[in-house]
Amino acid sequence: DSGVTQTPKHLITATGQRVTLRCSPRSGDLSVYWYQQSLDQGLQFLIQYYNGEERAKGNILERFSAQQFPDLHSELNLSSLELGDSALYFCASSVTSGSGSNEQFFGPGTRLTVL
Amino acid sequence: GEDVEQSLFLSVREGDSSVINCTYTDSSSTYLYWYKQEPGAGLQLLTYIFSNMDMKQDQRLTVLLNKKDKHLSLRIADTQTGDSAIYFCAEGDYTGGFKTIFGAGTRLFVKA
Repeated sequence: DSGVTQTPKHLITATGQRVTLRCSPRSGDLSVYWYQQSLDQGLQFLIQYYNGEERAKGNILERFSAQQFPDLHSELNLSSLELGDSALYFCASSVTSGSGSNEQFFGPGTRLTVL
Repeated sequence: GEDVEQSLFLSVREGDSSVINCTYTDSSSTYLYWYKQEPGAGLQLLTYIFSNMDMKQDQRLTVLLNKKDKHLSLRIADTQTGDSAIYFCAEGDYTGGFKTIFGAGTRLFVKA
């Protein structure tokens, strides 16, 4: 158990809908990262927040947005869902904003299926 | 752009050594990582190496880095069936935030 929790574990929805994925980092970690893992794209970095502020952005679509709240949990919002958004979404956390070895601890993931 | 490449499959016999190779393109990467993913689970950080090091050993794991050729390898000594998993190579760099680029993953099969 990495100490990172993600809810829900599974999510099934229809095209065009909007969903919210939630992540709670390990106690003491200030950074949260979001990743998408799909068969065709592999594991892609989406976005990083550190202590409530966006710090790094990867291949995140405009239909997707994220935020980190004062209690440090984070939410990833996916809207106007398409079939191709079906994937495993992982959250990870680390202590720092990225300085040092930046060991990241991954949650178990949320499996999103868009029908 | 940045890219990380690794072979997709490796099959070894139990007790043998496994060597998983990776090449990367971003010469400014500060750290290089190896992660393990077991079926239905998230990624687990196995080990990492700082870009100014050539080698790092951690119990059964040995990481070799050839910075000139941008080549990274992970050697697992005395491979066990419990080592069967997908192994991801990744590179990362700190520029106020941290962006990690992952390879496609190497699926390791360990035959008893």
